[in-house]
Amino acid sequence: QQQVKQSPQSLIVQKGGISIINCAYENTAFDYFPWYQQFPGKGPALLIAIRPDVSEKKEGRFTISFNKSAKQFSLHIMDSQPGDSATYFCAASNYLTGGGNKLTFGTGTQLKVEL
Amino acid sequence: ETGVTQSPTHLIKTRGQQVTLRCSSQSGHNTVSWYQQALGQGPQFIFQYYREEENGRGNFPPRFSGLQFPNYSSELNVNALELDDSALYLCASSFDSTTDTQYFGPGTRLTVL
Repeated sequence: QQQVKQSPQSLIVQKGGISIINCAYENTAFDYFPWYQQFPGKGPALLIAIRPDVSEKKEGRFTISFNKSAKQFSLHIMDSQPGDSATYFCAASNYLTGGGNKLTFGTGTQLKVEL
Repeated sequence: ETGVTQSPTHLIKTRGQQVTLRCSSQSGHNTVSWYQQALGQGPQFIFQYYREEENGRGNFPPRFSGLQFPNYSSELNVNALELDDSALYLCASSFDSTTDTQYFGPGTRLTVL
């Protein structure tokens, strides 16, 4: 059962434009929501993360918007650059009964920024 | 500060064989998680180790097992390999088991023929 739904599957944006990726979750036990960037052949790299008590977080060109009541969150990439072309994953974290925590990932969005 | 490292980079096995993948956690981190990423999919949680004990497991069969060593490095073992086990196996480390932030290694690409 997919607990984190991500859209769109792919996205093409012109250089300088805004890239927007959306995610929705079902499990209200999730309490930490990171975004990861992954280049081909590489592991996911943490980009930015937010907790549900905050509605927005901005780091440089990257902003997370969070809507707790709608159980939705999104990533905005401002002034998108060709170097931003990668696959982006949203994720959500919840605690395990053994005391640890795990990440549940969305299915990914392949972003291409064109010149 | 050393990041998460994994070995080998690539591996080819045949169905029914066994494989061991290795991970060294980021300096200062004592918790390691393993994920399986099939082609075109998001990573799926396999299990997490904290101070040499498994403290959580995803929906993977028992033929997926792990170890964590006193230096917090870790191994993922998969027995009786199946074709569907072909994937990128990712290791992630975190400062401790209560820390949400996980840092991923580059992964090991396993191909089962």
